[in-house]
Amino acid sequence: NAGVTQTPKFQVLKTGQSMTLQCAQDMNHEYMSWYRQDPGMGLRLIHYSVGAGITDQGEVPNGYNVSRSTTEDFPLRLLSAAPSQTSVYFCASSFIGTWGNIQYFGAGTRLSVL
Amino acid sequence: GENVEQHPSTLSVQEGDSAVIKCTYSDSASNYFPWYKQELGKGPQLIIDIRSNVGEKKDQRIAVTLNKTAKHFSLHITETQPEDSAVYFCAASKRDTGNQFYFGTGTSLTVIP
Repeated sequence: NAGVTQTPKFQVLKTGQSMTLQCAQDMNHEYMSWYRQDPGMGLRLIHYSVGAGITDQGEVPNGYNVSRSTTEDFPLRLLSAAPSQTSVYFCASSFIGTWGNIQYFGAGTRLSVL
Repeated sequence: GENVEQHPSTLSVQEGDSAVIKCTYSDSASNYFPWYKQELGKGPQLIIDIRSNVGEKKDQRIAVTLNKTAKHFSLHITETQPEDSAVYFCAASKRDTGNQFYFGTGTSLTVIP
């Protein structure tokens, strides 16, 4: 049982390049999310999905696209990378408990945009 | 939207002492408050959570308290050990908003042997 798997672990891009951060979970969780983590700012929600075919914007969605064609996968796309997108990106999957969402995080992707 | 503030940003304690991290939130409708531990190079891991209908919850050396009236909640770690050294995050959410979590800015805890 791998949990939440993110690839790649590290990536360096030039401004204007595009790339896709991959996220896969094997726990059959309906909910999946993408966060970015910046120094002194905690984790901020980029996009999330409540099930296959359903996505919605979080706190900081600009510059990112997502899709959810299967329960397992939730890729994050940067169409034209900017230096402001240098960050550590975390994917999470979760299930609804009695009162809240129990989240499991991947190990992260460290992205540098030059 | 929700605003979660977390203090202190750094905390150093001697091994065996207690550590307390405090968070406040702004949205009185928030009803679920998880705490995460993040070790270097890893993703956050849920360590304990509390619901708005509970004032305190304990799991071995870790406890969380919630004051709904004052809109603040705290993490208490007793008998600290070097392996407790990590960054701790608090978060707040409302169950009916699906995946909308709002995180604090983190506390870097160092336990000195």
